[in-house]
Amino acid sequence: DAGITQSPRHKVTETGTPVTLRCHQTENHRYMYWYRQDPGHGLRLIHYSYGVKDTDKGEVSDGYSVSRSKTEDFLLTLESATSSQTSVYFCAISEPGRGDTQYFGPGTRLTVL
Amino acid sequence: SQKIEQNSEALNIQEGKTATLTCNYTNYSPAYLQWYRQDPGRGPVFLLLIRENEKEKRKERLKVTFDTTLKQSLFHITASQPADSATYLCALDRDDYKLSFGAGTTVTVRA
Repeated sequence: DAGITQSPRHKVTETGTPVTLRCHQTENHRYMYWYRQDPGHGLRLIHYSYGVKDTDKGEVSDGYSVSRSKTEDFLLTLESATSSQTSVYFCAISEPGRGDTQYFGPGTRLTVL
Repeated sequence: SQKIEQNSEALNIQEGKTATLTCNYTNYSPAYLQWYRQDPGRGPVFLLLIRENEKEKRKERLKVTFDTTLKQSLFHITASQPADSATYLCALDRDDYKLSFGAGTTVTVRA
């Protein structure tokens, strides 16, 4: 998985609780992304980062926030989890100028009861 | 609005045959298109990238075509093997190094 780890790998939580997912990379890539994957919808971009402290919204950002204080770490926070946020979350990285491809982490399966 | 459609959710083929997957898009003018493979419980893995000025790209038993007039890409797996069974995703570039993904086609190769 190209030097990308995600933690936790599985999490079950209750509606209304805060949840933070972590993505860690050892590739020194500038861009990092958070996606969610749901049946029938494919991968949808939640937020992305183009450098330390530089982040922007994706197409499904409502209810999510992110932070990137170091090149290697990108955090996704659900401030108050809802059942509609039950999904598999993938982190990805890319480095502009190195083939324009994205490398994905192993995913986090989140269940909100 | 922008839309990406992959021909079908599932494709079942016999070992040794060619699998052909379709990716159609509307309201995009991508500079390139990518194909990824995803196995159950794992993240997608990059396979091929084809640029708008390229008609065809090959990698081992994989072939991708890109027709910007038809707004379509075809992905072929020749001499398919059971190990090729997976979900295949197409992705189009958006601005600022972002990608938009199709929902994927699950290929099952029968021995």
